[in-house]
Amino acid sequence: QVQLVQSGSELKKPGASVKVSCKASGYTFTTYPMNWVRQTPGQGLEWMGWINTNTRNPTYAQGFTGRFVFSLDTSVSTTYLEISSLKAEDTAVYFCARAPQLPGEFDYWGQGTLVTVSS
Amino acid sequence: QSVLTQPPSASGTPGQRVTISCSGSSSNIGSNYVYWYQQLPGTAPKVLIYRNNQRPSGVPDRFSGSKSGTSASLAISGLRSEDEADYYCVAWDDTLSGPVFGGGTKLTVL
Repeated sequence: QVQLVQSGSELKKPGASVKVSCKASGYTFTTYPMNWVRQTPGQGLEWMGWINTNTRNPTYAQGFTGRFVFSLDTSVSTTYLEISSLKAEDTAVYFCARAPQLPGEFDYWGQGTLVTVSS
Repeated sequence: QSVLTQPPSASGTPGQRVTISCSGSSSNIGSNYVYWYQQLPGTAPKVLIYRNNQRPSGVPDRFSGSKSGTSASLAISGLRSEDEADYYCVAWDDTLSGPVFGGGTKLTVL
């Protein structure tokens, strides 16, 4: 069965970096793109962008350029989200989500990774 | 502020029918599919309705979706206690070139 398993919670200081992983299983990893979605109490759910797991080409949504980087390691069927120069407002739960047919049509989600940025 | 507008809360008693609205514009709901997701506390969202009114296998037929113009609705009939959750609408936005979410509606079963 399809599973997306994310790495555990992170506590980081402002200015640091964090790398969240999302390991896929149960399907051919390079067949479908992977999306990232952020959830904060104030902004709700926001689409951060997606990465083409075949070409490795990332697409970033408005507001998620510069400090946010999507990458992947096909040898372990894993997608990564790296956030640099962390700010308090980056505190959120980050989800990976597969959208095999159409953008926004997320059929499987990771369990979410809480990233807390605090001094 | 979310691009799609939902009421922040809704409520009903067991067995009742509840409707949650989602309002957008011509660049999103007006020209693209609408999706509805259910999020139980502490879990990831789960798709309830896709492509306006389609139910994935395993989703009870108590859940239904509809769309008219730049608005969409999720209806839940025969309300049950386990339906208490947050509900989000999503649609692709042609101007923003990405999916946009509603702010979410917290459903309480009284």
